[in-house]
Amino acid sequence: AQSVTQLDSQVPVFEEAPVELRCNYSSSVSVYLFWYVQYPNQGLQLLLKYLSGSTLVKGINGFEAEFNKSQTSFHLRKPSVHISDTAEYFCAVSETGGFKTIFGAGTRLFVKA
Amino acid sequence: GAGVSQSPRYKVAKRGQDVALRCDPISGHVSLFWYQQALGQGPEFLTYFQNEAQLDKSGLPSDRFFAERPEGSVSTLKIQRTQQEDSAVYLCASSLPGQEAYEQYFGPGTRLTVT
Repeated sequence: AQSVTQLDSQVPVFEEAPVELRCNYSSSVSVYLFWYVQYPNQGLQLLLKYLSGSTLVKGINGFEAEFNKSQTSFHLRKPSVHISDTAEYFCAVSETGGFKTIFGAGTRLFVKA
Repeated sequence: GAGVSQSPRYKVAKRGQDVALRCDPISGHVSLFWYQQALGQGPEFLTYFQNEAQLDKSGLPSDRFFAERPEGSVSTLKIQRTQQEDSAVYLCASSLPGQEAYEQYFGPGTRLTVT
């Protein structure tokens, strides 16, 4: 069985500052990894995904994440955040070739002017 | 094109009432998922359909929860005799065959409040 731990429940940051949202997972099999964003009153939107290949994955809105197998981590980064990045971010994992996705509890990113 | 739609967007039910939540997936998406998202938590898997077949219902929390997709398109999640702990946002997602694990498209959710 897989599990996901998002180490920070809330991350406040000033506009144009860099940000890192941390995610660790556990699994006994190979996995796919994801970051989703949820804006208020909207559905989940896929930011980026790691399926295989390069461990550095680039997504939408300038976000990127790095898969670190030895540390079982998949941290999300952005070099310069905007007010509009304020949202809830979810890290998720699924078994390779499977269909069930396990989500973390979420990290609320709050960007201040 | 149209995304996944869910109705109603908000539902208030008195404890003990039955509710039905509807999901319209993206046209052509044969796979459909239901998730429950409690306040302050991430979504939790409830059940999965491929066409009309319910292939996994291991996440349904009790026998009061029932999901169906009789024609392989629209799906309904029914909760009987609602309890306060059922209050949550119920999310539906759909995907193309073969992409279930990594290309799910989510609807906006139905917020259920049980009073």
